[in-house]
Amino acid sequence: KAGVTQTPRYLIKTRGQQVTLSCSPISGHRSVSWYQQTPGQGLQFLFEYFSETQRNKGNFPGRFSGRQFSNSRSEMNVSTLELGDSALYLCASSLQGGRETQYFGPGTRLLVL
Amino acid sequence: ELKVEQNPLFLSMQEGKNYTIYCNYSTTSDRLYWYRQDPGKSLESLFVLLSNGAVKQEGRLMASLDTKARLSTLHITAAVHDLSATYFCAVTLHQFYFGTGTSLTVIP
Repeated sequence: KAGVTQTPRYLIKTRGQQVTLSCSPISGHRSVSWYQQTPGQGLQFLFEYFSETQRNKGNFPGRFSGRQFSNSRSEMNVSTLELGDSALYLCASSLQGGRETQYFGPGTRLLVL
Repeated sequence: ELKVEQNPLFLSMQEGKNYTIYCNYSTTSDRLYWYRQDPGKSLESLFVLLSNGAVKQEGRLMASLDTKARLSTLHITAAVHDLSATYFCAVTLHQFYFGTGTSLTVIP
């Protein structure tokens, strides 16, 4: 079975721009969660989607948004980028979400200049 | 908000030695995960501990869970260089809460 895939793998943007990241979960997995990883803050939960609905949201400003499509693929969008948004963005999938084991993708490394 | 703390944050150990990584969390949970992250790579699931007293072992790694003490340990036996990585514990309520991570370097 193919694992979780994320595109693009690397991205360079400038302040004020917006960015869209994509995640394809493991086949059959209906839950997709997004995390931001930085050296200072560690791994922080952004949001979880299940069956096209946001089921849970972390403590991030409204500039961070996401969606999930009917095939369970998910996208996250960050608008009005700030320098502090530079991070590794990880996507994880699981069958039903919640407390199940999450399987992580390789991540998208975003650099904001 | 649930807090998950790991110690030590950094660990340098010689090959062949034993050591333990500790994971403390601030609220009741009966499920805890351990993940491994190699430099520049993503997270790989190692263990899920589902109840008080649970113990799981894989190779040189053994994880245990004490829900009453809100403590999990990851014990490394006879470390080898291939175990060098960052190890995260994670507690789940309605979402995953990850610990700060322990960066382990095994020196030949």
